[in-house]
Amino acid sequence: DAKTTQPNSMESNEEEPVHLPCNHSTISGTDYIHWYRQLPSQGPEYVIHGLTSNVNNRMASLAIAEDRKSSTLILHRATLRDAAVYYCILRDFGNEKLTFGTGTRLTIIP
Amino acid sequence: DGGITQSPKYLFRKEGQNVTLSCEQNLNHDAMYWYRQDPGQGLRLIYYSQIVNDFQKGDIAEGYSVSREKKESFPLTVTSAQKNPTAFYLCASSIGGTLVKNIQYFGAGTRLSVL
Repeated sequence: DAKTTQPNSMESNEEEPVHLPCNHSTISGTDYIHWYRQLPSQGPEYVIHGLTSNVNNRMASLAIAEDRKSSTLILHRATLRDAAVYYCILRDFGNEKLTFGTGTRLTIIP
Repeated sequence: DGGITQSPKYLFRKEGQNVTLSCEQNLNHDAMYWYRQDPGQGLRLIYYSQIVNDFQKGDIAEGYSVSREKKESFPLTVTSAQKNPTAFYLCASSIGGTLVKNIQYFGAGTRLSVL
């Protein structure tokens, strides 16, 4: 499976945008980029996914580099409730399994 | 409300004892999954089931067993063969199949400790 690399931790001020990077230099043409987040002592929840084009939903935006070797999850205005571990996951089309790395622990500073 | 229910929230296991973690979903999902999470680590797949009466081993199946007799239920048994069972256990479900947006929905987890 192609691997992803994320920073271990990041901090951001409340009400400011947050950009969470993910490197996936060995991504294949059929890999989709999925993001999940896990709030403290809870199960993960889906955030967003994309293939080649940038994607937006009510939770976040996903910016994908033109060569697809990296992507960035964007939280437009961070709140304290966004403090969580964010996982960037590559999922091959046709593969039901998700492989979680250690993710990025995001701390929001009031 | 639709969702995934895991019970109990906390569970203690004695030496040599088998324990069973419950996972029930009312989302009418075909696929269900069990993950293990150790402190500061990501999730690792134990077992998964894509349809009733069928399941496959994940990356760390040794010392665990599952059954899938009903669509809505996927219990996990931690056997005495699992020598280091202390962890946070998460159950998930998804629509199943090869849909791109095959989102996994997770329960709140069961925290298992050894006495």
